Amino acid sequence: SQQGEEDPQALSIQEGENATMNCSYKTSINNLQWYRQNSGRGLVHLILIRSNEREKHSGRLRVTLDTSKKSSSLLITASRAADTASYFCATAFNQAGTALIFGKGTTLSVSS
Amino acid sequence: GAVVSQHPSRVICKSGTSVKIECRSLDFQATTMFWYRQFPKQSLMLMATSNEGSKATYEQGVEKDKFLINHASLTLSTLTVTSAHPEDSSFYICSASGGPGETQYFGPGTRLLVL
Repeated sequence: SQQGEEDPQALSIQEGENATMNCSYKTSINNLQWYRQNSGRGLVHLILIRSNEREKHSGRLRVTLDTSKKSSSLLITASRAADTASYFCATAFNQAGTALIFGKGTTLSVSS
Repeated sequence: GAVVSQHPSRVICKSGTSVKIECRSLDFQATTMFWYRQFPKQSLMLMATSNEGSKATYEQGVEKDKFLINHASLTLSTLTVTSAHPEDSSFYICSASGGPGETQYFGPGTRLLVL
């Protein structure tokens, strides 16, 4: 079963603009991770945020986590055409190495 | 980051044959690996959890006799699709974690096409 729901399902922007994707989940989590997937390829890990963290940065990426609302957001600043991909949030329920449960993903298209 | 490889990257087989997919953690030991399946334009769905030295744990609806998983070492897990049928055509992705609650690193995936 799927845990997360990304919003929006698809997003089209121009280079240089910021892209914001949201993810909601249903149950308590240990951590939440964001991944990128280029068409037909494997997943690239972007960032992990733990349940006791509220915000994390990595380069042009900013992730927030609101456990009270069971939601997270991924912000990509100053987007580039190379950012075009599908983005998934994934949640882990506990520390015991439990598999990740993926959301449906947001397809981002950045045009130059 | 850690590297996970998969082999083969692409395989085409005839209906009724078996296909083995390997997943290797190249620079770290993984006591647990995970196998996912992804259909076109859909998200990843967990198939099973592969534990080194013990039986795999399958998700509901995944036939353990059809999708055989072996995790013989801390760096290798294999998924064998037995008696493959066209509906098994999909993108199979494995992941591995260096420890509980840590980042999972994904392999590049294996695209299976069953004719």
